[in-house]
Amino acid sequence: NAGVMQNPRHLVRRRGQEARLRCSPMKGHSHVYWYRQLPEEGLKFMVYLQKENIIDESGMPKERFSAEFPKEGPSILRIQQVVRGDSAAYFCASSLRGDQETQYFGPGTRLLVL
Amino acid sequence: GNSVTQMEGPVTLSEEAFLTINCTYTATGYPSLFWYVQYPGEGLQLLLKATKADDKGSNKGFEATYRKETTSFHLEKGSVQVSDSAVYFCALIGRSSGSARQLTFGSGTQLTVLP
Repeated sequence: NAGVMQNPRHLVRRRGQEARLRCSPMKGHSHVYWYRQLPEEGLKFMVYLQKENIIDESGMPKERFSAEFPKEGPSILRIQQVVRGDSAAYFCASSLRGDQETQYFGPGTRLLVL
Repeated sequence: GNSVTQMEGPVTLSEEAFLTINCTYTATGYPSLFWYVQYPGEGLQLLLKATKADDKGSNKGFEATYRKETTSFHLEKGSVQVSDSAVYFCALIGRSSGSARQLTFGSGTQLTVLP
């Protein structure tokens, strides 16, 4: 049973470009979460999605960041007009159900903004 | 809001030493508690969990007991190995609506085990 898949594993962008991070949840999981790990900081929740719905985006920056989880295909975290402060590791997790259910993490995407 | 406070690192131990990493939490109601481990350059792996008071989670020789009276979930291992070197995160998921889906993490504790 494949785990949570994320790609790319490493992404380099110049300031002002767009970054697209992809996440395929574990088989059978319909709940997806995105977290960000900034250098020298802990992991912070960004957004929680179910298929075709954003359930909780309370941790997402109001501008430049968006997330989706379409009916078909992976979840996408999109960062427009990246800035150096966006450099971080972005982790996706999935769970079978919501509400205190165990979340299983992918290997992460390391974004570097030059 | 919910919060998790972890023992400051880094922690350096010799092989076969006893390990304790302290973790305390603040949350409304009774959260579910987790320990995750992160090896260099990798994602987080679930190490163990406990969902109610007095539950003991255990895995790979690691243990943690959910203590409601002290709001703690300390991680212990009787004899560490070099391969245990990693960053350990304590985390919770709350029970109140809105917090019942997101993990709140501690700051992480870097463990280095020397041969």
